Amino acid sequence: KNQVEQSPQSLIILEGKNCTLQCNYTVSPFSNLRWYKQDTGRGPVSLTIMTFSENTKSNGRYTATLDADTKQSSLHITASQLSDSASYICVVAAGNTGKLIFGQGTTLQVKP
Amino acid sequence: EAGVAQSPRYKIIEKRQSVAFWCNPISGHATLYWYQQILGQGPKLLIQFQNNGVVDDSQLPKDRFSAERLKGVDSTLKIQPAKLEDSAVYLCASSLDGRAGGYEQYFGPGTRLTVT
Repeated sequence: KNQVEQSPQSLIILEGKNCTLQCNYTVSPFSNLRWYKQDTGRGPVSLTIMTFSENTKSNGRYTATLDADTKQSSLHITASQLSDSASYICVVAAGNTGKLIFGQGTTLQVKP
Repeated sequence: EAGVAQSPRYKIIEKRQSVAFWCNPISGHATLYWYQQILGQGPKLLIQFQNNGVVDDSQLPKDRFSAERLKGVDSTLKIQPAKLEDSAVYLCASSLDGRAGGYEQYFGPGTRLTVT
């Protein structure tokens, strides 16, 4: 069964600190892995997309890694800001159908 | 470039009533998606359109949900009759061509439905 699991479910950190969110997937065949940020009351916005051959991709203070062998990904946030408070969703695109398999998300709260 | 537009943003109805949501995708995007997102969960695909044809509606509760994209542009999602468990955010998304896995999906702001 195609599944995407994220951990932790929620996280609270102080402003300026770093954090890492985890994603494990069992999706086959694999096309790409995406991380989305979803602010409260808004739709998800893409942060990164990684294909099988990419193992790191950055977008400003966000850095995603992908280990296709272990089927794990992480999203590292550096020097967190209050505006980073949001839900972060790991999504895997299956094969060549374009179907997206969504994780349940990690809710991040950054406190001053 | 204008994003995906959705309306209304919020809707409160009583159970057994009907409701309709509207979505206008990004211009030129052939693929349109409707997702249901229950609080604390990731989005669940309800239906995927390629132009005005249905590609995937395997998770659409067809006894109460219906969707159409008549001219291959705008789309409406209807629930009739609504149940309490339909309370969720309904997200619309679009992409250039959803048949391939590499294209980005752009999401609208969603419609928050509360069924009382």
